[in-house]
Amino acid sequence: RKEVEQDPGPFNVPEGATVAFNCTYSNSASQSFFWYRQDCRKEPKLLMSVYSSGNEDGRFTAQLNRASQYISLLIRDSKLSDSATYLCVVKGTTDSWGKFQFGAGTQVVVTP
Amino acid sequence: SAVISQKPSRDICQRGTSLTIQCQVDSQVTMMFWYRQQPGQSLTLIATANQGSEATYESGFVIDKFPISRPNLTFSTLTVSNMSPEDSSIYLCSGRRDGQETQYFGPGTRLLVL
Repeated sequence: RKEVEQDPGPFNVPEGATVAFNCTYSNSASQSFFWYRQDCRKEPKLLMSVYSSGNEDGRFTAQLNRASQYISLLIRDSKLSDSATYLCVVKGTTDSWGKFQFGAGTQVVVTP
Repeated sequence: SAVISQKPSRDICQRGTSLTIQCQVDSQVTMMFWYRQQPGQSLTLIATANQGSEATYESGFVIDKFPISRPNLTFSTLTVSNMSPEDSSIYLCSGRRDGQETQYFGPGTRLLVL
């Protein structure tokens, strides 16, 4: 079983609509969670960290469910520029040296 | 955000040859990593580049195939040795600042082995 699993998609979303997707992780001791965004042929870039109580950053909302070991990302009012692959990232330990585990990514395609 | 540069940005190589990828980070980055990303796949950590000592390799990666150097805090190289077509991939340098969890990535090196 992969340590971090994501639905690869693609999620085809009309512009202005809402899209949400999850990521599951296998290590119950995981401490830190992130969503990264990767545009086609570009490097991954941090989108947002995921906090235990859930958090928002503009149109993006991230949530963590420790009991079921998944995190989610919701994008409201989708823009064409939101088209990208969203990578779920999990860090296993509390110290800064912990290794990051990356999911394979969920592709989102926002259409006009 | 941290500034991370890599070169070359892409290369096409013949089977059996070796390619060295260079990575330069800004002075605030303390941890450096090398990843591989194959098409449609997740990022796979190759190794952590340790300043002035041997890199720490992940399972499935060995020093003879992927020698890594980090002679100082801000510079590292990854060599892909004795290449085969299976080594065709994107190789990404990554860095983290001390005490921070955000990980930054270089633009990647696209390698095609014929």
